[in-house]
Amino acid sequence: QVQLVESGGGVVQPGRSLRLSCAASGFTFSTYAMHWVRQAPGKGLEWVAFISYDGSKTYDVDSVKGRFTISRDNSKNMLYLQMDSLRAEDTAVYYCAKAKRLQWEKDVFDIWGQGIMVTVSS
Amino acid sequence: DIQMTQSPSTLSASVGDRVTITCRASQSISTWLAWYQQKPGKAPKLLIYDASSLESGVPSRFSGSASGTEFTLTISSLQPDDFATYYCQQYNSYSFVFGPGTKVDIK
Repeated sequence: QVQLVESGGGVVQPGRSLRLSCAASGFTFSTYAMHWVRQAPGKGLEWVAFISYDGSKTYDVDSVKGRFTISRDNSKNMLYLQMDSLRAEDTAVYYCAKAKRLQWEKDVFDIWGQGIMVTVSS
Repeated sequence: DIQMTQSPSTLSASVGDRVTITCRASQSISTWLAWYQQKPGKAPKLLIYDASSLESGVPSRFSGSASGTEFTLTISSLQPDDFATYYCQQYNSYSFVFGPGTKVDIK
């Protein structure tokens, strides 16, 4: 079945780096745009970053510009989020999510991973 | 940047009630609007996309509508499994903004 599984979370000190991974299975990964979405404890959903199906386009939310980088390896069916210069306010559950329609960029998210916790604390 | 608002922020209702949640966009997003349901500790689940299209497998008691920049999610007869938080999201631009959420709890 279609599945997304995140890994790489944990506790990290402010200013340090962490890389999240998302393993995709059950669909042709290379033909769908992908996203990262986060949710701080007790708060709502915040879209973080987008990458087109072929990796040629990326966009991210202003609060992570210059610090987070989204990337993908279509040969391995993997999505990544490199998070540098982490701050306390980056503490959240991070979800990877799949766009619904083939090669669409501005699209809904139909499949989500289970989420992975990232805690930024000294 | 597009801003999304939702009302109410909390809604208390009983099983069998008809429930309506409203989402407003700060500018035109055509019908590029989705609704998600989230339960505590779980990932969001897509309910409605393109403002009024029902996602496969979602019960028909859920419906969506649009009028200009105002969007509505309706649950025709609230069921015990529907107590959750609901989020709208625009995907007209590359900002993919979510609304702040509406929590539906038991009256």
